[in-house]
Amino acid sequence: AQSVTQPDIHITVSEGASLELRCNYSYGATPYLFWYVQSPGQGLQLLLKYFSGDTLVQGIKGFEAEFKRSQSSFNLRKPSVHWSDAAEYFCAVGDQTGANNLFFGTGTRLTVIP
Amino acid sequence: DAGITQSPRYKITETGRQVTLMCHQTWSHSYMFWYRQDLGHGLRLIYYSAAADITDKGEVPDGYVVSRSKTENFPLTLESATRSQTSVYFCASSESTGTSMRTDTQYFGPGTRLTVL
Repeated sequence: AQSVTQPDIHITVSEGASLELRCNYSYGATPYLFWYVQSPGQGLQLLLKYFSGDTLVQGIKGFEAEFKRSQSSFNLRKPSVHWSDAAEYFCAVGDQTGANNLFFGTGTRLTVIP
Repeated sequence: DAGITQSPRYKITETGRQVTLMCHQTWSHSYMFWYRQDLGHGLRLIYYSAAADITDKGEVPDGYVVSRSKTENFPLTLESATRSQTSVYFCASSESTGTSMRTDTQYFGPGTRLTVL
């Protein structure tokens, strides 16, 4: 069965510093991978997704993620963090059994220090 | 373009009461989903629907009932609320990909914060 692990519950970075959020997945075939962001009191917004092709995926708000099959990882990166990036970030893997469902990790909360 | 809306946004109820959470989308998406979000668990799927009159269980369906008589609406009912159902509930929708081999992007509503006393 598919599953996602986000090993970091909470990360704190300084504004302007680089960011990397870790995501490891468990799935036998080629996974469909997503990163979502949740601002306080809001729903989830899609940052980027990977289905196939180029393993480096560009998303909105200056984020990117790299799919590494050998490491079963899909880490999210941003070269320079802004205070508005403070939020909860969720990695998810798509269900390919026909349910069109997503399996989510437990999330990483990002705090940005001025 | 309203997108996907949920009502109410906040609800306080008592143990044993019936509660219905509403979800409405304006995109005519085929798929709709209900998740609950709890600390330490991320989002877990309660029920989903592939089309009107087609629903199926997710990871944590016990204590919940859904229906989908119209494509745009997907209400979630707690028949007899329990304290363990205190949570934030998210509705989502996605287009049909036309194939079972691909999962498409899900679009989320703003959530309903439910407290069961």
